[in-house]
Amino acid sequence: GQQVMQIPQYQHVQEGEDFTTYCNSSTTLSNIQWYKQRPGGHPVFLIQLVKSGEVKKQKRLTFQFGEAKKNSSLHITATQTTDVGTYFCAGRKGGSEKLVFGKGTKLTVNP
Amino acid sequence: NAGVTQTPKFQVLKTGQSMTLQCAQDMNHEYMSWYRQDPGMGLRLIHYSVGAGITDQGEVPNGYNVSRSTTEDFPLRLLSAAPSQTSVYFCASSYSTGRQETQYFGPGTRLLVL
Repeated sequence: GQQVMQIPQYQHVQEGEDFTTYCNSSTTLSNIQWYKQRPGGHPVFLIQLVKSGEVKKQKRLTFQFGEAKKNSSLHITATQTTDVGTYFCAGRKGGSEKLVFGKGTKLTVNP
Repeated sequence: NAGVTQTPKFQVLKTGQSMTLQCAQDMNHEYMSWYRQDPGMGLRLIHYSVGAGITDQGEVPNGYNVSRSTTEDFPLRLLSAAPSQTSVYFCASSYSTGRQETQYFGPGTRLLVL
């Protein structure tokens, strides 16, 4: 079945350093979504990417969707302690109603 | 709008007991889904629905039933609870696929099966 692999599983950074998490799918995706989950909380939708090669920015966050629509990345510039949490990607295969999540990258930030 | 609500917040069951996890949304969303979250496993899709009267299986449907009699409600039933079903359960809703799919998650139900 469809699989979405996400790396790294954990990332610890010093405040001010950059952070990137990567998502790879075994199949071409119709779209990919990114979520953030704070400790003890529920996933919160960040963004959806649909087009091949798409790049979107939200303040210090940059999201990319690969040309082949099989991979994506989330990059955070100059991390802050408020960025702590687990970041998930989720992809939907073309023609499928199912949204498949990666296992997430847990980010911790040392002040 | 209350968004997506889930009840109960916490539940302890004995093996073999049955229960229903409630989920409701007031945003008139067509798409609703149930996920379970276990440490290191991310979110796994249990069942989903693309509209009232329509449900389908996700990745891990065994041991769970769902129904969607109204647009607002999407209950998840555990028929005979097992310790392997100890998890955090999230309900989510969004507009139908093919549109901008901001997916809203409920606060979750923490279930412990003894």
